[in-house]
Amino acid sequence: QKEVEQDPGPLSVPEGAIVSLNCTYSNSAFQYFMWYRQYSRKGPELLMYTYSSGNKEDGRFTAQVDKSSKYISLFIRDSQPSDSATYLCAWGLGGSARQLTFGSGTQLTVLP
Amino acid sequence: DTGVSQNPRHKITKRGQNVTFRCDPISEHNRLYWYRQTLGQGPEFLTYFQNEAQLEKSRLLSDRFSAERPKGSFSTLEIQRTEQGDSAMYLCASSFQGLYEQYFGPGTRLTVT
Repeated sequence: QKEVEQDPGPLSVPEGAIVSLNCTYSNSAFQYFMWYRQYSRKGPELLMYTYSSGNKEDGRFTAQVDKSSKYISLFIRDSQPSDSATYLCAWGLGGSARQLTFGSGTQLTVLP
Repeated sequence: DTGVSQNPRHKITKRGQNVTFRCDPISEHNRLYWYRQTLGQGPEFLTYFQNEAQLEKSRLLSDRFSAERPKGSFSTLEIQRTEQGDSAMYLCASSFQGLYEQYFGPGTRLTVT
């Protein structure tokens, strides 16, 4: 079993839709969680970062973490064509360990 | 632009040649990371520096790979005797001491022919 499983997509939605992107993980030692957005042939861009279970909101984006179920989600409200990208979930162990473990990404297309 | 920069952006080389990539982190970020990303996959951790000290190395980092950060600022990643399986995007990221958020550069795309 992979440490991180991410819905592979691709996902295609109409402009204005609410998008839900999901990841599960198996390592209960993971302490912090991130979502990155990656446009084609570009580096990942940090969108959201959280330590704890619950919701964290930033503009149109909401990250949801459920540590008991080992499940994280990213919701995008009022999706725009400019949101079309690959979304990567990532985890870290915390403490002195600094490497991130990434999911394989979900490719999202928002149609105008 | 004060983000992470990487050079070159794209490198094409023949199998067996050596290549070197450079990463300039965000200024004041003392931690620097290298990742490798292949098509359709997320980035995979290679190695990490705190200042000039290399603190973690992945088992993915074979003997043909070496990374340095001699003055605690920019870093180089060298691949010796390149193989076709080394073709990938090599990503550099940096973070500020005490914080876990990592900020990525645009990557160097390596093609080994």
